Amino acid sequence: AQTVTQSQPEMSVQEAETVTLSCTYDTSESDYYLFWYKQPPSRQMILVIRQEAYKQQNATENRFSVNFQKAAKSFSLKISDSQLGDAAMYFCAYVSGNKLVFGAGTILRVKS
Amino acid sequence: KAGVTQTPRYLIKTRGQQVTLSCSPISGHRSVSWYQQTPGQGLQFLFEYFSETQRNKGNFPGRFSGRQFSNSRSEMNVSTLELGDSALYLCASSLVSGRNEKLFFGSGTQLSVL
Repeated sequence: AQTVTQSQPEMSVQEAETVTLSCTYDTSESDYYLFWYKQPPSRQMILVIRQEAYKQQNATENRFSVNFQKAAKSFSLKISDSQLGDAAMYFCAYVSGNKLVFGAGTILRVKS
Repeated sequence: KAGVTQTPRYLIKTRGQQVTLSCSPISGHRSVSWYQQTPGQGLQFLFEYFSETQRNKGNFPGRFSGRQFSNSRSEMNVSTLELGDSALYLCASSLVSGRNEKLFFGSGTQLSVL
């Protein structure tokens, strides 16, 4: 069964600094998709970034980038120049069939 | 373009009752998925509907059911409510059904079972 593990229940970062959230996953598939979602206090899940496994190049969206290590089954999220609005719960997710399998989440706190 | 709309935002029920939650997808989206979020179990997939047909189902008892209408709006129903059904229920829509599709989520319905 596919699983997604986020080993950091909570992380803190100073405003304008950089933080990396960790994620590992387990799958026997060779072609798949990975996602990072953000859930602020409003509860709405917002897609942060998406990575296609067959692409070697790491995905980047403005201040957000990933470090995708396919052989190690690792998919970490780097947030640069952290802002107060980045404070939220972050979920790593893997697509299995047509459903998302989520990790337990990492709470990110941003200090001013 | 309006986002995914879930109603109601909050709901309080008692054990044994049944409940119906509604989800209106983004205009033009034909796939709707439902997820349950609890502090203990995290986010778990309930089911997905595409063109009024259930495409995929998670590991939930038969008390959890859903349907999709011709306008792509979806409802999920939980019968004989149990305390453990208290959760945030999230709906997500996408243009079509497929694993590379971007999902757009609503703000959820918070269900409390007393």
